[in-house]
Amino acid sequence: EPEVTQTPSHQVTQMGQEVILRCVPISNHLYFYWYRQILGQKVEFLVSFYNNEISEKSEIFDDQFSVERPDGSNFTLKIRSTKLEDSAMYFCASSELAGEETQYFGPGTRLLVL
Amino acid sequence: QKEVEQNSGPLSVPEGAIASLNCTYSDRGSQSFFWYRQYSGKSPELIMSIYSNGDKEDGRFTAQLNKASQYVSLLIRDSQPSDSATYLCAVRSSASKIIFGSGTRLSIRP
Repeated sequence: EPEVTQTPSHQVTQMGQEVILRCVPISNHLYFYWYRQILGQKVEFLVSFYNNEISEKSEIFDDQFSVERPDGSNFTLKIRSTKLEDSAMYFCASSELAGEETQYFGPGTRLLVL
Repeated sequence: QKEVEQNSGPLSVPEGAIASLNCTYSDRGSQSFFWYRQYSGKSPELIMSIYSNGDKEDGRFTAQLNKASQYVSLLIRDSQPSDSATYLCAVRSSASKIIFGSGTRLSIRP
């Protein structure tokens, strides 16, 4: 069964450093998403992406965040200058259509900012 | 601010019994509702989606929706120890954005 994959599974970085989280969505899916979950808290929507542009973003997704589809398979989330409060689990998801109800989640990247 | 509210639990249910999980949401215009299961340290896994008032059954799981009361529930019949997890209620608030509740921790005791 096709699945969303994410790398790395864990990332430790120093405050102020840039990190890039990578995702490979399911191959025939057209819509991609990033969510985050701070330890013990809710899963929060960050951004959705379609046709090489952001279709929606939350208030969390400020100027330090960016997303990109650098090639036909990868979807990345970049955090330019990490803060302690960026420590969280970051989930990538994809869906075939925008109205398609099922968003398939990847296993996540656990980011720890020291 | 659109909200999805759940009792955080833990909800403890004996093996073989019915587990009942509840959720309320604030946006009366919401049309799509989901239940995800999340094991500790893992990603959310979709169990059920429901769009119309009433019940929807899938195996041991039944989702119930009451839009007038802005209420969604999930029933798990014949609960198994492997059902022990956090159950996330989620509501679609736009074409691409899903809002999650904080989850109810369910523990099935043998």
